[in-house]
Amino acid sequence: SYVLTQPPSVSVAPGKTARITCGGNNIGSKSVHWYQQKPGQAPVLVVYDDSDRPSGIPERFSGSNSGNTATLTISRVEAGDEADYYCQVWDSSSGVFGTGTKVTVL
Amino acid sequence: QVQLQESGPGLVKPSETLSLTCTVSGGSISSYYWSWIRQPPGKGLEWIGYIYYSGSTNYNPSLKSRVTISVDTSKNQFSLKLSSVTAADTAVYYCARWPGSMLSPMDVWGKGTTVTVSS
Repeated sequence: SYVLTQPPSVSVAPGKTARITCGGNNIGSKSVHWYQQKPGQAPVLVVYDDSDRPSGIPERFSGSNSGNTATLTISRVEAGDEADYYCQVWDSSSGVFGTGTKVTVL
Repeated sequence: QVQLQESGPGLVKPSETLSLTCTVSGGSISSYYWSWIRQPPGKGLEWIGYIYYSGSTNYNPSLKSRVTISVDTSKNQFSLKLSSVTAADTAVYYCARWPGSMLSPMDVWGKGTTVTVSS
């Protein structure tokens, strides 16, 4: 089965840039989606199809995908960005989630 | 806009069957795929499976032997049954909508419902 690996945690100071990676075999050939999840809440889509943003998501959230790594970048990090982030792909029509990354704003 | 609401028992006994329903409001259940996802306490998200409005299904291989997802288009609902549950099935269960393209995410989610497996 397809595996997506994320770093368990990323720490970033306010105003700086956070980068969250999602590693998978030839993930660059797949479409990657990113979800933000705050404690006690359902996941919220922040980036889809590698780099597109849903309406209402700030431009500070961006994504890229190439080779064996996809990346979610959060620019000018704010306290409200503190959350868990999950990448997700469809592999042979089955859903696969990454292991998740906790972003801590220092 | 489309909204999803999970419902069902919050407590299930070991070895019994967990049954949940997701009600779709604000839109039709037709022409979409409908997924179940779960999240054990303190852990990550796990995709359980989906059903197309016409009834075709696809399940996570790790759960396939115990999972059944069904749809009732007349009620705009779809359901999850997970048999022979153990404490490892304790989780928050979410339902979500998927447009069906590999380029598409699960774009609408329910708020989730907590299910505890305990005697």
